[in-house]
Amino acid sequence: GENVEQHPSTLSVQEGDSAVIKCTYSDSASNYFPWYKQELGKRPQLIIDIRSNVGEKKDQRIAVTLNKTAKHFSLHITETQPEDSAVYFCAASMEYGNKLVFGAGTILRVKS
Amino acid sequence: DAGITQSPRYKITETGRQVTLMCHQTWSHSYMFWYRQDLGHGLRLIYYSAAADITDKGEVPDGYVVSRSKTENFPLTLESATRSQTSVYFCASSEGRTDTQYFGPGTRLTVL
Repeated sequence: GENVEQHPSTLSVQEGDSAVIKCTYSDSASNYFPWYKQELGKRPQLIIDIRSNVGEKKDQRIAVTLNKTAKHFSLHITETQPEDSAVYFCAASMEYGNKLVFGAGTILRVKS
Repeated sequence: DAGITQSPRYKITETGRQVTLMCHQTWSHSYMFWYRQDLGHGLRLIYYSAAADITDKGEVPDGYVVSRSKTENFPLTLESATRSQTSVYFCASSEGRTDTQYFGPGTRLTVL
């Protein structure tokens, strides 16, 4: 089955700097890649997603890139703010949102 | 987000006892999911349901039972709880197979 690896496990950045989180997946049939943000004690919430027919997608300060050949995708957060501090999870699915396989998560700390 | 709720929010039980976690959504979403969240593992799919009376296994189904007699409810039962089932359990729903999954607030279960 699908396996998703996520790096780094923790990331500390200075406010205003950029943050990059990377994920690799194993099954070339996967075609949907969402990113979720989870604040302490809260539920995961979708922040951005990308489908296999697109190489890059942006939404204000966040962007996701997908390299299907290398089977990896990345989350980019620019101009980080303290409220970006949270755990971020990547995921992959072969069925557009069904049966998501998640990475282990990245703890992002933005220092002010 | 208020459209999907879980109960109880916290539960302490003993090994061998049966426990049922409830999930209720008011959106009439077709798909519903149960995940468990453990440190270092991200979120892992236990079971999912495509519609009332249709359920299927995820990554880690052993020791769990689900049912879905009504579209809006998707209870998860631990027939004989074990310490390894101590975790945070999240329910999620999506309108269709291609849609975003929305998570409930979670249930923290401790098995002593």
